[in-house]
Amino acid sequence: EVQLVQSGAEVKKPGESLRISCKGSGYSFTSYWISWVRQMPGKGLEWMGRIDPSDSYTNYSPSFQGHVTISADKSISTAYLQWSSLKASDTAMYYCARGAGTGDYWGQGTLVTVSS
Amino acid sequence: NFMLTQPHSVSESPGKTVTISCTRSSGSIASNYVQWYQQRPGSAPTTVIYEDNQRPSGVPDRFSGSIDSSSNSASLTISGLKTEDEADYYCQSYDSSNPWVFGGGTKLTVL
Repeated sequence: EVQLVQSGAEVKKPGESLRISCKGSGYSFTSYWISWVRQMPGKGLEWMGRIDPSDSYTNYSPSFQGHVTISADKSISTAYLQWSSLKASDTAMYYCARGAGTGDYWGQGTLVTVSS
Repeated sequence: NFMLTQPHSVSESPGKTVTISCTRSSGSIASNYVQWYQQRPGSAPTTVIYEDNQRPSGVPDRFSGSIDSSSNSASLTISGLKTEDEADYYCQSYDSSNPWVFGGGTKLTVL
């Protein structure tokens, strides 16, 4: 069974750093891209970027380029989404999904709350 | 860049049929596959239609997808509506410059 399991909810202060994770199982992790999607409270889905776990090649949406970093460790079938300096506006649910241009399987989501 | 436009909300009664549209602003709707995701309140999105009209295993055949080149739009049709179908529905497509583009989402109310 294909599964993407994300790390738990986080509460952070503005300016802090954070890395959340997405662990794939039930398939060959290096055969499928992983994408990250943001959903702000009460809003729609926004694509942030994607990574090819086989070589860690990444693409970012212009809206998120420079503000987040996507990485992967294929040895443990895990992809990451990282911030070096969080803002209150980063408060959102973050989903990982399997796929380069489409998402067939999704993680359960990680809620990130940034508040002073 | 292209955009995908969906109605903000639709409502229909149980047992009826509803269609949600997704119009592409530029470029042909037929050039790249369209996916549809269902997101129930408090849950992660799940795929109900992929590659324009394909249903993942486990998705009831009450869900169907289509594209219409004349209107440059895709449609998700749900027949025999059930209260459990009440959710937000998002269309999504891509092109060579835009890996993932989502529509704004449609809130389906089954009343």
